[in-house]
Parts: sequence; structure tokens; C-alpha cells
Amino acid sequence: EAGVAQSPRYKIIEKRQSVAFWCNPISGHATLYWYQQILGQGPKLLIQFQNNGVVDDSQLPKDRFSAERLKGVDSTLKIQPAKLEDSAVYLCASSFTAGGLDTQYFGPGTRLTVL
Amino acid sequence: GENVEQHPSTLSVQEGDSAVIKCTYSDSASNYFPWYKQELGKGPQLIIDIRSNVGEKKDQRIAVTLNKTAKHFSLHITETQPEDSAVYFCAAKSGGSYIPTFGRGTSLIVHP
Repeated sequence: EAGVAQSPRYKIIEKRQSVAFWCNPISGHATLYWYQQILGQGPKLLIQFQNNGVVDDSQLPKDRFSAERLKGVDSTLKIQPAKLEDSAVYLCASSFTAGGLDTQYFGPGTRLTVL
Repeated sequence: GENVEQHPSTLSVQEGDSAVIKCTYSDSASNYFPWYKQELGKGPQLIIDIRSNVGEKKDQRIAVTLNKTAKHFSLHITETQPEDSAVYFCAAKSGGSYIPTFGRGTSLIVHP
């Protein structure tokens, strides 16, 4: 089966610019997650969707980050305006369901560099 | 919330040796402990997991042990190979949360 797809793979922008990332989860997976992984650290959850509804966005910096999952399939994560500390790898993951011991499958990530 | 500590941050071994990575967690309600392997330029991939009602689980050269009393769990890799070189993350998830909390990762280097 096809895995989680993300694009672009790399992005370099200047601070205060805007950027958007795209994710296509595994077909049939109802739950989609966006993580931020800063160099040398484990992934940190930004937002979780169940179909097209938000389940948890408590760690999303809402003053600059936004995400949507229209039609409950693809998702986009946007940063506007970007700060230097936003430099990180942004990982998208999906799972069949949201609860229990459901395995999360991660995409390759988008490496963002903010200059 | 849950806090996961992972050690060591870097582990260097010779091919054929064993490698052990240790994690501790803070939330006694945590009941699911997955381990992920992340190769350069890729997302984390689940390699093994263990649930709170099991003390040990093995899959070929990889094993995980769990001590619920002490709130720590470990990943054991035997007969290491150069392709085992990667960053390994432990994670813990409590029954009340859908999201695992990750450790900071261990960079494993296997020298041929």
C-alpha cells in the first residue's frame, strides 16, 4: 500500500514569509496528525484531525500556524509569518482510527529552514 | 502530562555487538510503549511495541522489556548490523490520550 505522502520535501524561506505544507494520508485512514520535529528532539504533536474535524490542537501556535483537512483526506499546514524558531522537520502521520493502540504511519517530512 | 526520558543520546557499537536503549516515563497510567526507527531523510517507522500487560516482547533481533513498577522500558538489539544505524525513539501513551509522547531519541551508530 502507498505510504503517507508529503510535499515539498525541503523549503527555505526568510523570516516573516509564509509557507504551506501538504499531506496525503494512507487511503482509508480517518486520523491525521501534524508533528514538529526540531533537530535533536522527538516529534511534538501540533494538531490531530479525525476525518475533517480537529481532535486536539492544544500545542498549535494559533497566532501563526493553521491547518485544515477539507473533505477528510488531504491536509495542509500553514505558517504565517514564519519565525527563525520554526526551522524544523514537519511530519505528517495517519492512522486507521484515533483511539486504542492504533499504529501511526509517518510520511518522510518537510524540512523547513527559516533564514 | 506524560514525560519520557531516553538514554543515551548517542550509542556507538561494533557490528555484531548488542545495543540497549533505555527510557523512563512519568505517567503510571501509560499502557502502550512503541519504538520507532528514523533513518536519515525519512519519517519514524514503528519497529516494535509493547503493552502494559506484557513484560517482554521479541521480534527476531529486537526485543523490548517493560518494568511497570519502575516505570521504565528498554530496547535491545542483538547482533547489530550497519543498517541498524539510525535514530531510535521511544514513546509512551496513556489510556486517556490518543497521542504518544516521544523521547528525545538515541542516535545508534554501528561500525562495520
